[in-house]
Amino acid sequence: AQTVTQSQPEMSVQEAETVTLSCTYDTSENNYYLFWYKQPPSRQMILVIRQEAYKQQNATENRFSVNFQKAAKSFSLKISDSQLGDTAMYFCAFMNYGGATNKLIFGTGTLLAVQP
Amino acid sequence: KAGVTQTPRYLIKTRGQQVTLSCSPISGHRSVSWYQQTPGQGLQFLFEYFSETQRNKGNFPGRFSGRQFSNSRSEMNVSTLELGDSALYLCASSLGLGNTIYFGEGSWLTVV
Repeated sequence: AQTVTQSQPEMSVQEAETVTLSCTYDTSENNYYLFWYKQPPSRQMILVIRQEAYKQQNATENRFSVNFQKAAKSFSLKISDSQLGDTAMYFCAFMNYGGATNKLIFGTGTLLAVQP
Repeated sequence: KAGVTQTPRYLIKTRGQQVTLSCSPISGHRSVSWYQQTPGQGLQFLFEYFSETQRNKGNFPGRFSGRQFSNSRSEMNVSTLELGDSALYLCASSLGLGNTIYFGEGSWLTVV
């Protein structure tokens, strides 16, 4: 069974600084998807970034980028130029590729606080 | 384009009652899935529907059920409510397998 581990329950960063959130996962599959979702106080889950395991290039979305290390089963999220609006819970998630379902497996989340 | 819409947003129920939550996916999306979020258990997959068929079910008791209609709208039902069912229930939709999954704002259920 696949598992996702986020070892940092809480993190804090100063506005305009850079922060990296860690995520490791366990799977025997070769192809899969990885995601970072953001859940602000409103509790709506918002997709931050998506990575296909068969792509070697790390995904980027504006100030958000990932460091995908397939052999190490590591998928960290880097937030550059942190903004107050980045304060939220961040979840790492895994989904099988080519499976018969869109089931997401989530980590336990990292609560990020951006300080002014 | 409207996002995933969930109703009701907040509700309070008494132990032993039943509840039905509704989810309207993004237009054109045929896959709808449900998740339960609690402080203790985190985010857990409940079930997924595609074209009115349940494709997958999580490890929840039979009190939790769902269905999907021909217009892709989905409902989930919890019968004989227990205090532990108090949670945020999130609905998500996507075009199909492997496509990006979008979430609604959730339905807050409190069981007293």
